[in-house]
Amino acid sequence: EPEVTQTPSHQVTQMGQEVILRCVPISNHLYFYWYRQILGQKVEFLVSFYNNEISEKSEIFDDQFSVERPDGSNFTLKIRSTKLEDSAMYFCASSEGRGQGQPQHFGDGTRLSIL
Amino acid sequence: AQKITQTQPGMFVQEKEAVTLDCTYDTSDQSYGLFWYKQPSSGEMIFLIYQGSYDEQNATEGRYSLNFQKARKSANLVISASQLGDSAMYFCAMREGPYNTDKLIFGTGTRLQVFP
Repeated sequence: EPEVTQTPSHQVTQMGQEVILRCVPISNHLYFYWYRQILGQKVEFLVSFYNNEISEKSEIFDDQFSVERPDGSNFTLKIRSTKLEDSAMYFCASSEGRGQGQPQHFGDGTRLSIL
Repeated sequence: AQKITQTQPGMFVQEKEAVTLDCTYDTSDQSYGLFWYKQPSSGEMIFLIYQGSYDEQNATEGRYSLNFQKARKSANLVISASQLGDSAMYFCAMREGPYNTDKLIFGTGTRLQVFP
């Protein structure tokens, strides 16, 4: 069964450094998402992406965050200058369409630890 | 007000028994979708089941069924014949409106422990 793949599984970074989290969505999916889950808390929406542009973003997704689809397969989340509070599990997700019945399929996540 | 409320932080069930995980939601939209996801200890998020607000029948997927009570705004997940591998966190999530938003709103989750 096709799946969303995320790399790396765990990233440790010094505060203030840039980090790029990578995702390969399911190949025929057109909508891409990033969520994060701070340890012990609920999953929170960050951003959605369609047709090479952001379609929606949350208040968490401030100027230090950016997303990109650099080629036909990868979807990346960049955090420009990491803070301690960016430590979380980051999930990439994709969906085939945007209708109500379209489930978002999640990757295994990247655990980001900021020191 | 919370959009998705899961009032059971933890649940225990014996293997082969059925268990119901509660979820209530709050929205003023007429069109919305409700989803359940499973998160094992390894961390991945696995889609289980979907219920649309206009669906007249409760959704079922194998051992999972969704007890959808629209008037009460509840969308409880029923797992029949529990297995040890069902031990995990379970999240209820909602997507509001037909097309006006992409985001899933998640509840705080219920940790299910299945014992032999």
